Amino acid sequence: AQKITQTQPGMFVQEKEAVTLDCTYDTSDPSYGLFWYKQPSSGEMIFLIYQGSYDQQNATEGRYSLNFQKARKSANLVISASQLGDSAMYFCAMREGDTSGTYKYIFGTGTRLKVLA
Amino acid sequence: ETGVTQTPRHLVMGMTNKKSLKCEQHLGHNAMYWYKQSAKKPLELMFVYNFKEQTENNSVPSRFSPECPNSSHLFLHLHTLQPEDSALYLCASSQDWGTPDTQYFGPGTRLTVL
Repeated sequence: AQKITQTQPGMFVQEKEAVTLDCTYDTSDPSYGLFWYKQPSSGEMIFLIYQGSYDQQNATEGRYSLNFQKARKSANLVISASQLGDSAMYFCAMREGDTSGTYKYIFGTGTRLKVLA
Repeated sequence: ETGVTQTPRHLVMGMTNKKSLKCEQHLGHNAMYWYKQSAKKPLELMFVYNFKEQTENNSVPSRFSPECPNSSHLFLHLHTLQPEDSALYLCASSQDWGTPDTQYFGPGTRLTVL
């Protein structure tokens, strides 16, 4: 079963509008972390935002915010006031621990966002 | 300097060639990772090094051979690859392995095997 699910292979958004990229996850670890990365066409994975499973408030970083709904196991990324430079692949990732006490990263398949002028 | 660098950015090689990918991090991190990114598939973790010691090998074929001479440098030696090995190879680093630390990625090497 997929541990990280991104159901939107591609999204379009008009410049200056907000867009939500979906991510659902599955884990039995009570202490986990959720990440969003941006990958422009240049290939580099750029860290955007982090949400810990015990964080009470939704994470925000500039125009990025994470809509964390723990009971639904969703961690959607909201980008406000989209810019042309936001066009890229976006990956949701989860860090979870295992029984040996170590952590592993698991990535989703990504959502390609295209911002339209 | 940027945090994590990778060279070359693009590589085309034949199945009988031997080549190496290089990764360098300037963040003072202790853990380094190799990932493979194929089209329409999630990132696949290949190798993990922590304090220069290999701590994880996710059933990677022996035609991929990693080397970590120090905590700042990581290599991936390639030999007798197959066309299905064509992918983007990403290097990442984090403060330590096995801890809740953010991973920072390099720009990747786009590998094409003919």
